[in-house]
Amino acid sequence: DQQVKQNSPSLSVQEGRISILNCDYTNSMFDYFLWYKKYPAEGPTFLISISSIKDKNEDGRFTVFLNKSAKHLSLHIVPSQPGDSAVYFCAASETSYDKVIFGPGTSLSVIP
Amino acid sequence: EAGVAQSPRYKIIEKRQSVAFWCNPISGHATLYWYQQILGQGPKLLIQFQNNGVVDDSQLPKDRFSAERLKGVDSTLKIQPAKLEDSAVYLCASSLGQGANGYTFGSGTRLTVV
Repeated sequence: DQQVKQNSPSLSVQEGRISILNCDYTNSMFDYFLWYKKYPAEGPTFLISISSIKDKNEDGRFTVFLNKSAKHLSLHIVPSQPGDSAVYFCAASETSYDKVIFGPGTSLSVIP
Repeated sequence: EAGVAQSPRYKIIEKRQSVAFWCNPISGHATLYWYQQILGQGPKLLIQFQNNGVVDDSQLPKDRFSAERLKGVDSTLKIQPAKLEDSAVYLCASSLGQGANGYTFGSGTRLTVV
């Protein structure tokens, strides 16, 4: 049973445009959400997080939006750059100190 | 700051053979995790250590997988005997506490079982 879903395996975006990566979850106990970025042959690196008390968190070009009632979150990258091409994992946990459950990932390609 | 070191980078073994992976976390990081990432899936936690004690091993297939963290520093993950479905990337991560935003992952060991 997949508790964190990323229904788009891949996404292509032109450089300079907005990239929107979506994530849905089923466990209503999840209270803390994270996005990780992974380049080939490297481990995932933490990108941005959000707790359920907020509906938006911004860090430079990256913004995460959370809609708890819909059990949906999204990562916006504006403007997209070729160096953003990577696999993006959505992840969730019941608290910031609990076990993290990862989604299957979305492969983003930013085309110059 | 040196990152999380893992070895080997790649390993190919035949089914029913045994294999071991090694992880050296960031100095001072008390918490260490082993994740399994099967192609097309997200990383799945196998075991979590806090210093040299096990915090969570609920998803570790204990009939064939074992892990230890002697002296609360380095860790080894062993599979014996390996099955075809064990083919995956095995990722080690460490953190100061248990906060998920503080995870640092190693580059992983890609295991192919033939």
